[in-house]
Formats: sequence, C-alpha cells, structure tokens
Amino acid sequence: QSALTQPASVSGSPGQSITISCTGTGSDIGTYNYVSWYQQHAGKAPKLLIYDVSHRPSGISNRFSGSKSGNTASLTISGLQAEDEADYHCSSYSSSATTYVVFGGGTTLTVL
Amino acid sequence: EVQLVESGGGSVQPGTSLRLSCAASGFRFDDYAMHWVRQIPGKGLEWVSGITWNSENIAYAESVKGRFTISRDNAKNSAYLQMDSLTTEDTALYYCAKEHSGWLMSLDSWGEGTLVTVSS
Repeated sequence: QSALTQPASVSGSPGQSITISCTGTGSDIGTYNYVSWYQQHAGKAPKLLIYDVSHRPSGISNRFSGSKSGNTASLTISGLQAEDEADYHCSSYSSSATTYVVFGGGTTLTVL
Repeated sequence: EVQLVESGGGSVQPGTSLRLSCAASGFRFDDYAMHWVRQIPGKGLEWVSGITWNSENIAYAESVKGRFTISRDNAKNSAYLQMDSLTTEDTALYYCAKEHSGWLMSLDSWGEGTLVTVSS
C-alpha cells in the first residue's frame, strides 16, 4: 500500500480539464512544500512535471499546474490532449520513520 | 542532454547479491544528489535510496536498510546500488534518477531502468 493516496484512474475528453488528487498526512504533504508530480507513458521512464507543489521545470507546458491544501496536493491538466494519456505519480518529502520520499500509487489518465 | 544509463540487473536467486550501476552524462555530476527508485511493472514507484553530491548524506527506505548500499564515484560520473540478501520482494525495474536541486525533493531526470528479478 502506497503512502500517498491517488485515484486509480481518471478520464476526460480532449479540451477538457481534469484534476488528480494526492492525499498524504501531516508527516509529508501537510507539512512540507516538496510535492512533485511525474508523468509516465507506457513503457517509459517517469518525467518530472511539477516540483515544490506548483513549479514547472523548463519545457513543461503551462497546461500542467499543481496546488496543495492541507494534506492533499492536486495536479490539474487543462486543455486535455491525446498525448496526455499516461500514468501520473505524486511524491513528497516525508519525515516518517520508514522513508524520506513517499510516492502515490499512480493514476491512469484516459483521454476519451 | 542529460543521460542516465543503468546496468547490472538480472535474474538471481533469493539471498544473493547484485550491484547496479548508473552512468551519467550531460551535466555536472558532482553538483547533484542521485537516487534509486524502483517500480514493479504495472505498479507504483518506490523510492529506494539517495546520496548527496559529496556522499556526506545517504538515506534509505526502511524496506532496504541494512541490505542495500548506495555509493558514487564522481571521477567516473557514476552511481551504484549494492543489493545484498535479495528477496522476491525486491523484484522490480530499478531507475537511477538525478535530483532537481536540493536533497530529497524532486527528480528531474531518469534513466530507462534495469530489471532485477529475484526468484528461486
């Protein structure tokens, strides 16, 4: 069982916006602004989309945005495109006893 | 262009060892922390271990602590993961990843992974 909780799947039509949630605890998301989001296409390595809750690395489209409220972080993808179909993983720094970096279980986005 | 190339994976029996390597290029290797993250095919990601640029700070997930050892050789632009006392639960695709900045925050470049299969 992953330390951060994500929905297993979400879907949307081209042009729409979707939001993926990532729920943690006070030992990770609730305390630290070190939430990251990764996109992983089938058979490929993960790619950093968002770091420090809401910052985009160079080259990442502004259609991707991140936010946080309490123990829950969110990734919003606007103007959905077919190429956005992928798995999305959240992560956070953690002060738990068992790990320093926690990931969610991943969310599969289907573009209808 | 940043490149990370993992090697050393394979199929081994429980209780044995493997040493993974990660060859880095395209960036100043000794400026960044490096990490290992694993993924059971079709499942989520699990952070395994990280090491700062100067090897002064090293961290492990509890699931591998005492069995795995991370190291790096800045002269060779390489990071390593020595995996001892392997169990079937260590079966996964192992990725090498570069820290974006800081320590234990975000990973901005990933290799393609090397597959480790532990089975009797």
